[in-house]
Amino acid sequence: QKEVEQDPGPLSVPEGAIVSLNCTYSNSAFQYFMWYRQYSRKGPELLMYTYSSGNKEDGRFTAQVDKSSKYISLFIRDSQPSDSATYLCAMSANRNNDMRFGAGTRLTVKP
Amino acid sequence: SAVISQKPSRDICQRGTSLTIQCQVDSQVTMMFWYRQQPGQSLTLIATANQGSEATYESGFVIDKFPISRPNLTFSTLTVSNMSPEDSSIYLCSVPRGRGQVEQFFGPGTRLTVL
Repeated sequence: QKEVEQDPGPLSVPEGAIVSLNCTYSNSAFQYFMWYRQYSRKGPELLMYTYSSGNKEDGRFTAQVDKSSKYISLFIRDSQPSDSATYLCAMSANRNNDMRFGAGTRLTVKP
Repeated sequence: SAVISQKPSRDICQRGTSLTIQCQVDSQVTMMFWYRQQPGQSLTLIATANQGSEATYESGFVIDKFPISRPNLTFSTLTVSNMSPEDSSIYLCSVPRGRGQVEQFFGPGTRLTVL
């Protein structure tokens, strides 16, 4: 079993839809959670960062962490074609930058 | 946020040759990381490069195959040695967002194809 599981998709939605992206993990020691967005032929770009359980909102993006279920989510409201990218979840147990990444979900938002 | 550049952005190489990838950061950082991103797979950490000390390699990666240099606080190189088609991948360098911070900033990546 992988430490971090993420459905690779692809996921295709119409413009304006609410998108839900998810990751599950097995290591209960993880307490730092991140979402990265990666456009084609670019490096990953940090999108959201959450410590421990709870929600965090930034504009159209909301990150949720449920440590009891070992489950994290990223919601995108009013999705735009410019949101079309691969979304990677990442998590770490400590501040030693020992991060584990999901395989990434490829999202396409159609106009 | 740190600005990170990598050279080359892509390359096509022959089996058995070596390629050195450069990573330049616009600010001084203690730690730099090298990752591999294979198609359809998650980012995998190859090694951590601290200035002034030997790089620390993750399980499955060895210095003879992936030698790393870290001559100063803004620059690092990763060499992929004696390449085979299995080394075809995107190679990324990254740095922490700040001292003691978990988040990382990534470079644009080097897309390597080995024939």
